[in-house]
Amino acid sequence: GQQLNQSPQSMFIQEGEDVSMNCTSSSIFNTWLWYKQDPGEGPVLLIALYKAGELTSNGRLTAQFGITRKDSFLNISASIPSDVGIYFCAGPNAGGTSYGKLTFGQGTILTVHP
Amino acid sequence: DSGVTQTPKHLITATGQRVTLRCSPRSGDLSVYWYQQSLDQGLQFLIQYYNGEERAKGNILERFSAQQFPDLHSELNLSSLELGDSALYFCASSALTEAFFGQGTRLTVV
Repeated sequence: GQQLNQSPQSMFIQEGEDVSMNCTSSSIFNTWLWYKQDPGEGPVLLIALYKAGELTSNGRLTAQFGITRKDSFLNISASIPSDVGIYFCAGPNAGGTSYGKLTFGQGTILTVHP
Repeated sequence: DSGVTQTPKHLITATGQRVTLRCSPRSGDLSVYWYQQSLDQGLQFLIQYYNGEERAKGNILERFSAQQFPDLHSELNLSSLELGDSALYFCASSALTEAFFGQGTRLTVV
């Protein structure tokens, strides 16, 4: 089945630093989704990408849909303490989520030191 | 608020028991997903329903079952519970592509 490899597994950064994480797959995805999960809470959708090459921003977050459709990147600029959490990339099977499961990466655990 | 409602929020039960977790999807969403997340683990896909029918199955144990009702709410049934079943169980719903998650049910088996 489709698998998403997310890296790095964890990051420890200072407040104010920029963060970059990525997700790769051996299969082509038509959509890339990025989620953030706070401890004990459900994942919250941050950014959705629908076209190869697409670059989308949401405040300090910027995500890109790779040209090959096999990867995606999430960048966080000027990190703040509330950015702490687990970030997941995800992609639906071909045909969209109505046609099969949403595959998740393993997650990147982000720790921000004040 | 994602619009997806899960109940109960917390559940403590003994080994060997059976529990039912409930999920109400966002209004209009036909797809419902169930995920399990153990401590320090990622999101493990269990099962997906679309408009009442099972659409995709992940690593769901035989002791677990789910269904989606005509009003589109879904229930996940966990039986013969073991200590290792303690985890967060999430429900998500989607219309086309983007999935939205509930707050989860934290199950503790003692």
